[in-house]
Amino acid sequence: GQNIDQPTEMTATEGAIVQINCTYQTSGFNGLFWYQQHAGEAPTFLSYNVLDGLEEKGRFSSFLSRSKGYSYLLLKELQMKDSASYLCAVRDRTSGTYKYIFGTGTRLKVLA
Amino acid sequence: EPEVTQTPSHQVTQMGQEVILRCVPISNHLYFYWYRQILGQKVEFLVSFYNNEISEKSEIFDDQFSVERPDGSNFTLKIRSTKLEDSAMYFCASILRQGGNYGYTFGSGTRLTVV
Repeated sequence: GQNIDQPTEMTATEGAIVQINCTYQTSGFNGLFWYQQHAGEAPTFLSYNVLDGLEEKGRFSSFLSRSKGYSYLLLKELQMKDSASYLCAVRDRTSGTYKYIFGTGTRLKVLA
Repeated sequence: EPEVTQTPSHQVTQMGQEVILRCVPISNHLYFYWYRQILGQKVEFLVSFYNNEISEKSEIFDDQFSVERPDGSNFTLKIRSTKLEDSAMYFCASILRQGGNYGYTFGSGTRLTVV
């Protein structure tokens, strides 16, 4: 089957670092994406990993281990505007076409 | 930056009525998708569309749903005989190519409320 797990909620302080974990099980893995979603808005693309290792993009980094079915999103120097849901999504190609399978999202609250 | 445009932003409809949700994908994108998100739940795949036909659909996308690309720019989702449980945010997404580091561009969504 296909399954993506991530914590429901996390809280962190402005200026701190937070790591949001994601584990996945899918038969047709073809890349892992992280999206940010503010309440009532569309998801926006943050990062992409298809090979093992760390991808860095400013204050955001994402890590992937395909053998462990594990990824994390690291947010540094947290700002209040980072309060949002962070969605882990696996691009799956089980059926021959690509589609994204999303986790339930991790709601991050950044406190002053 | 190019955007995916969805209309209306909010639609309220009576149970049993038909609704059409509209999307204008990014003009040079080739692959189109509909996803939905019930309040407080995860984003769920509904259907993918390429070359004027459905390439994949989920088990949610039953006979009640249909998609169309009536002209070169619009991409529509029709829900016949809406049910209360169809209340959700519906997101359209498009992408230039599949594979690689191409991520979806999502529209801002249509909030559908069935009463």
